[in-house]
Parts: sequence; structure tokens; C-alpha cells
Amino acid sequence: QVHLVQSGTEMKKPGSSVKVSCKASGAAFSTSTFNWVRQAPGQGPEWIGRIIPFLGSTDYAQEFEGRLTVTADDSASTVYMELNSLRSEDTAIYYCARGKREQLVGNFFYYYMDVWGKGTTVTVSS
Amino acid sequence: DFVMTQSPVSLAVTPGEPASISCRSSQSLLHSNGYNYVDWYLQKPGQSPQLLIYLASYRAPGVPNRFSGSGSGTDFTLKISRVEAEDVGVYYCMQGLRDPRFTFGPGTKVDIK
Repeated sequence: QVHLVQSGTEMKKPGSSVKVSCKASGAAFSTSTFNWVRQAPGQGPEWIGRIIPFLGSTDYAQEFEGRLTVTADDSASTVYMELNSLRSEDTAIYYCARGKREQLVGNFFYYYMDVWGKGTTVTVSS
Repeated sequence: DFVMTQSPVSLAVTPGEPASISCRSSQSLLHSNGYNYVDWYLQKPGQSPQLLIYLASYRAPGVPNRFSGSGSGTDFTLKISRVEAEDVGVYYCMQGLRDPRFTFGPGTKVDIK
């Protein structure tokens, strides 16, 4: 049974940085991807970034390029999301979601987000 | 860019009755491999989103069989054959074709009458 445990609530000032962790247990960490999805108050989910630990590769939503860094510590089965230059619009719940690989017919595969953490509330306010 | 739209915005359903949610994409989500890259999530009040359906019609492990997904190309549907009280929440479709730059729809809120 896969379980994702995220770090606790953060209160930050505009212009500062926040780093949120997500520890995976019961998962094939090395064969999964890990996504970060945020949800502003009253809004729908927004995908912001992903890491593929076994490839060491990352992808970011265009609007977060240069401000967002996603890393992984394989030995601790933990992924991290660091967002810099925080502004009030970054106030949201940040979710970690595991991407599970599904082998498809032919030489194709698909990663679907099957397990989500409980979310970390980040509030940016002066 | 992929733009996802959903209808209706909200609906109230009598327990035991069926419900249907529509999702439309601005571009086809049909991959050359024949699969449609759209997933459905339910976010219950105060909880994280949970996966219901992936690749348009495949139920995620543990999801009750009253949930089903269909559609191809740009038009997709999530159906609940008999709504139960525990099904309340906001339903989101999400395109997975432009992996990993996933895009969610605006959501459909389901309440019980």
C-alpha cells in the first residue's frame, strides 16, 4: 500500500522561499514519477512540476520555470518541492502525487496519478 | 494549449439515481496508440483528489464499478450508475496527452438532493 506523507503547514512572507517534502512508503520509488499539483483557494488543481527519480529528470509548468525546483533523495524515498520568490498568488494547498506506470499495448506506457498526499498548506502574506 | 471544459457546473442527484458529467477538450486526446489520454478525479470535501478513471475508460484499482468512463477524441463522459451519498464532491477531468503538462478541467460539483 503506497502512502505519501507531506510536511506541515507553512506561513511565508512575500519574496521568500518554501520547501515542502513528500515521503513515500510502500512504493516502488525508483520506478515511479512524483508530481506536484497545487490548488488555490476555491480553484481547481494545477499541475506545476514533476520528477522522475530513476532518470533524474524534472519537468516544470512554463509559468514556474526558474522559480520552482523539484528534487529527490532516493535513499530517503523523499521528494521535495522548492518555490522561490513567493507572492500572495502562491497561497495554495500543494499536493504530492505518485505517478504509477501502466504498460500499454505496444511499446507504450502511461503514468497516472494514483496516490496523493494529504497536501501542505502554504500561505504567503506580509 | 489544451483547454478542458466540463458540464454541468454543478448537479444535485437523488441517491440511487444516475449521474453524468461531460468533459470536452480543445484538442483531441486520442494518441496514435489508440488510447485516449484523459483521467477523471473526485475531490471529496476537505480531501485530496482521488483517481477514478484513467485513459478514458479504465477504472482505477478499488474504484466501485458504478463509475464508468467513455468517449474519444475531444468528448468524454463520466457516469455514475447509482449515486451514493459518499459520491459528493467535485469531479475533475484531466488531459494527460501533453505529458507531463497535465491540464485539469474546471470541475463539476455533485451534491445529494
